[in-house]
Amino acid sequence: QTVVTQEPSLTVSPGGTVTLTCASSTGAVTSGYYPNWFQQKPGQAPRALIYSTSNKHSWTPARFSGSLLGGKAALTLSGVQPEDEAEYYCLLFQGGARVFGGGTKLTVL
Amino acid sequence: EVQLVESGGGLVKPGGSLRLSCAASGFTFSNAWMSWVRQAPGKGLEWVGRIKSNTDGGTADFAAPVKGRFTISRDDSKNTLYLQMNSLKTEDTAVYYCTASSGWYRDFDYWGQGTLVPVSS
Repeated sequence: QTVVTQEPSLTVSPGGTVTLTCASSTGAVTSGYYPNWFQQKPGQAPRALIYSTSNKHSWTPARFSGSLLGGKAALTLSGVQPEDEAEYYCLLFQGGARVFGGGTKLTVL
Repeated sequence: EVQLVESGGGLVKPGGSLRLSCAASGFTFSNAWMSWVRQAPGKGLEWVGRIKSNTDGGTADFAAPVKGRFTISRDDSKNTLYLQMNSLKTEDTAVYYCTASSGWYRDFDYWGQGTLVPVSS
């Protein structure tokens, strides 16, 4: 069973930049894993942000971007806003299975 | 506007069964690959399973913890997705979300609000 690992928590100042990463226990994350990123705020359902590594949905704010970085999938927030405080999850496609990361709690302070 | 509305959650005893439904609207349900994702209280997201569209074969895949106990089906005439859960365990306690795809490798573009399934004696 593949394990997908994210930073448990990160803190960023308003207006700053932060990068969240997503690693796979099977090795380097490539575009063939079609990394997805999701945001979840307390008491709400998750919301899709990024698909297939770097593609944004129509509702994804421009300050969010996805990439591959050092063998991991990455989500970068530039010009962080207070409303970006949330839990962020990555997901990797592995054949017929899909595996979520454990999530990163992002605090804006 | 895409809408996914789950129903059918509720308290069930260990070993019991439950069927969840997800009513879809605002998109062409018959073309969409549909999935279930769960979230145990205070925990992260866990993929449960996915069913392809009938035009793509209609087959389902499941996560290891639920394989053999859960089945997914769809009724395209009713725009409804189902999750049949059998032999429930306390560790199946979670909010269950249905999700809809809008393209390849986009299984989770749209989410419902979820339905809570507590498994307890």
